[in-house]
Amino acid sequence: SQTIHQWPATLVQPVGSPLSLECTVEGTSNPNLYWYRQAAGRGLQLLFYSVGIGQISSEVPQNLSASRPQDRQFILSSKKLLLSDSGFYLCATFKGSSYGYTFGSGTRLTVV
Amino acid sequence: GDSVTQMEGPVTLSEEAFLTINCTYTATGYPSLFWYVQYPGEGLQLLLKATKADDKGSNKGFEATYRKETTSFHLEKGSVQVSDSAVYFCALKNQGAQKLVFGQGTRLTINP
Repeated sequence: SQTIHQWPATLVQPVGSPLSLECTVEGTSNPNLYWYRQAAGRGLQLLFYSVGIGQISSEVPQNLSASRPQDRQFILSSKKLLLSDSGFYLCATFKGSSYGYTFGSGTRLTVV
Repeated sequence: GDSVTQMEGPVTLSEEAFLTINCTYTATGYPSLFWYVQYPGEGLQLLLKATKADDKGSNKGFEATYRKETTSFHLEKGSVQVSDSAVYFCALKNQGAQKLVFGQGTRLTINP
């Protein structure tokens, strides 16, 4: 079965600082990978998805970027964090309808 | 675009009470519908799903029926337990789409 590792679980960063959140996947190869964000009081919003190494699709314009340097590694980054980047970030995979979506445990980011 | 609306939370109930969490959706075509659950400190887990009109998804005593005429997928459980305390997300995925669209989540607390 698939397992997603996300870290850190919580993070407090000052405005203007850089960000790097990492997600790694075990138990599958060539999965679709997703970054979702949940801002306070709002639903989960898709930020980026990737169907292969180096292939990134952005759903919404924002202060963040994503990269996929390896098949099972997905990284969310920012050069300079904004207060509005605070939220709960979830990494997910999709490996066909038989497996559905698998989610990591998430990172709660607070920008101060 | 596609969207999901869930009832406002938080919801607090006593053990053995009847639970309903409302979910309605707007989508083109014929989406699949899902309920995900997030227990404290964990990632999202698929609770149940339905892929076509009048399908009933069920798991762990929870049920939801895909109602195309009312564009709804309400979550129900006849007798809740303290261990059901969690955040519940309604979601849809349209055919051929790469992403899940989530509602804002409903926090459920069950008191003994």
